[in-house]
Amino acid sequence: QKEVEQDPGPLSVPEGAIVSLNCTYSNSAFQYFMWYRQYSRKGPELLMYTYSSGNKEDGRFTAQVDKSSKYISLFIRDSQPSDSATYLCAVYYSASKIIFGSGTRLSIRP
Amino acid sequence: DGGITQSPKYLFRKEGQNVTLSCEQNLNHDAMYWYRQDPGQGLRLIYYSQIVNDFQKGDIAEGYSVSREKKESFPLTVTSAQKNPTAFYLCASRKMTGRNYGYTFGSGTRLTVV
Repeated sequence: QKEVEQDPGPLSVPEGAIVSLNCTYSNSAFQYFMWYRQYSRKGPELLMYTYSSGNKEDGRFTAQVDKSSKYISLFIRDSQPSDSATYLCAVYYSASKIIFGSGTRLSIRP
Repeated sequence: DGGITQSPKYLFRKEGQNVTLSCEQNLNHDAMYWYRQDPGQGLRLIYYSQIVNDFQKGDIAEGYSVSREKKESFPLTVTSAQKNPTAFYLCASRKMTGRNYGYTFGSGTRLTVV
């Protein structure tokens, strides 16, 4: 079993829709969770991070962690074509390592 | 502007050749990392360094080598021993103090074997 699992998609939604991206993880000791956005042929950029359970909101983006079910989510409201990218979830494993999901490719149709 | 610079953007390697990918950061970050990204496999850790003149192997270090002679620089050499080097290579860095555990990534180098 992979330590972080993520549906690769692709996911295609119309502009203005609410997008839900999800990951599961296996180790209940994980405490720190991140979402990265990666545009084609670019490096990933840190979008949001959360510590332990709960929600964190930043503009149109909300990151949610449910530690009881080992489930992390990213919600995008009022999605825009510029949100089209690959989204990677990640967990902080140790000072030497962050474990990444394989990424979900998202396309927003105008 | 602070950031990580990777060069070249595209690199072509012939069979049996060693090639070196450059990674430079001016963020004053302590730790630096090299990841390999293949379609459908996510990012896999090749090598990392938390301090100058010290580095450790990641999950897929075979066929790669690194050096960390300066805090700002962490070059990666893809040797001829790496049998399947075609991939997108990403360099990242992180400050070891504070509560932000995330990495800053460079723009990547796409390596192709010809």
